[in-house]
Amino acid sequence: DAGVIQSPRHEVTEMGQEVTLRCKPISGHNSLFWYRQTMMRGLELLIYFNNNVPIDDSGMPEDRFSAKMPNASFSTLKIQPSEPRDSAVYFCASRPGLAGGPTGELFFGEGSRLTVL
Amino acid sequence: GENVEQHPSTLSVQEGDSAVIKCTYSDSASNYFPWYKQELGKGPQLIIDIRSNVGEKKDQRIAVTLNKTAKHFSLHITETQPEDSAVYFCAASSEQTGANNLFFGTGTRLTVIP
Repeated sequence: DAGVIQSPRHEVTEMGQEVTLRCKPISGHNSLFWYRQTMMRGLELLIYFNNNVPIDDSGMPEDRFSAKMPNASFSTLKIQPSEPRDSAVYFCASRPGLAGGPTGELFFGEGSRLTVL
Repeated sequence: GENVEQHPSTLSVQEGDSAVIKCTYSDSASNYFPWYKQELGKGPQLIIDIRSNVGEKKDQRIAVTLNKTAKHFSLHITETQPEDSAVYFCAASSEQTGANNLFFGTGTRLTVIP
C-alpha cells in the first residue's frame, strides 16, 4: 500500500505565481481532506471531499485558493496568485468514510512544503 | 464550532519517565477523540483514539482517558523512549451524519532525553 501520495514535496516560488499541489488518496478511500500547517495556527482544515464532491470549503482562506477532485484518485489544491503568507506545509489526507457519518483513521500524506518569496 | 486546546506546547522528559498531554474541548456533541503523532518531515499518524462511550483506553505504553463531564481528555505515555520524541496532536469531532471535520489542538512537542 503506497499510502497518500503528495507532490511536489517542496516548492519555492515567487509572490504572484500560481501554485498547484497534487494528491493521490489511498485507493478505495472516498473522503479526502486538505489541511494547512503553520507554526502560528497549527493544523487547519481547508476543504474536504466525499465521493469527489466538495462538502465543506469554509476553511479555504480566500478566493485565491481553489481545490478540485476530478476523480476518486486525484485532487489538486491551487493558489493563484500566491502570497508570502501562504507559506506553510500543506497536507492531504484520506479516509475510507462510511455512509452516514465520519469514523476512523485519517491517513496523511507527507506534505508539500510551500515557500512563497 | 469546536475549539480544542492542548497543553503543554513543549514537554521534555527523561527516558523511562512518563509523559502526559492534556486537551480540552468545547462542543459537548463531540464524541470521537483521536491522538496523532507527527515525526519530523512526516504527516501526522494516528496512534490511539477513544470514543465517548468509554472512559479509558490502553495500547501497550500509551493510554488515553476521557472525562466527558469536564470536557477534557489526556494522553499518557509510560516508560518513554527516544523514539517517542515527536509532535503530538489531540483532536475532536462529532460523528454526526455529514460532519467530517476533525478539530486539532495546537500540538505538543515531546522530547525524550536519553
